[in-house]
Amino acid sequence: DQQVKQNSPSLSVQEGRISILNCDYTNSMFDYFLWYKKYPAEGPTFLISISSIKDKNEDGRFTVFLNKSAKHLSLHIVPSQPGDSAVYFCAASAERTSGTYKYIFGTGTRLKVLA
Amino acid sequence: EAGVAQSPRYKIIEKRQSVAFWCNPISGHATLYWYQQILGQGPKLLIQFQNNGVVDDSQLPKDRFSAERLKGVDSTLKIQPAKLEDSAVYLCASSRRVGQEEKLFFGSGTQLSVL
Repeated sequence: DQQVKQNSPSLSVQEGRISILNCDYTNSMFDYFLWYKKYPAEGPTFLISISSIKDKNEDGRFTVFLNKSAKHLSLHIVPSQPGDSAVYFCAASAERTSGTYKYIFGTGTRLKVLA
Repeated sequence: EAGVAQSPRYKIIEKRQSVAFWCNPISGHATLYWYQQILGQGPKLLIQFQNNGVVDDSQLPKDRFSAERLKGVDSTLKIQPAKLEDSAVYLCASSRRVGQEEKLFFGSGTQLSVL
């Protein structure tokens, strides 16, 4: 049961253009969402997050949009740079009855920015 | 601040052998996670510790996997005996929650190949 889905395994974008990475979730209890970037042979690194009380969060070239009714979030990278080429994971968080939080990751989208 | 440290970086073993991975989280981070990432998939939570107590081990194959976090700091993950399907990257992460904000910081991972 894949609660967090990234339906595009790969994406190629020209340098300078916009990259849009998508993520869908099924559990309406998720209230906090994160995006991670992963280079080969390295661990994932945090990129940007958004709380369910917001519909947009921006940090430099990165913007995350959340559509709660559609259970959908997207990451926009503008302008895209060759150094952005990596695998991007979205993650969703829900509170357990114990008061701790569980993070579930999507399967990732490999972004290739072409120079 | 120092990041999450993991060792070894790579390990090759034969099936039915045992293996252990070590993780040192970021100082002050109460929560520690072990994730398994199989090639082409997203990280899957194996076990989550809050200080030195287990809060979630529902996806840990307990007949062969074990983990401990002594004194609420370092953690070890052991597999005994290993199977071919255990070939994956094992990622350790730590976090500290501030309000609703919580970022997971990952180590570089241990790449395990079971032959």
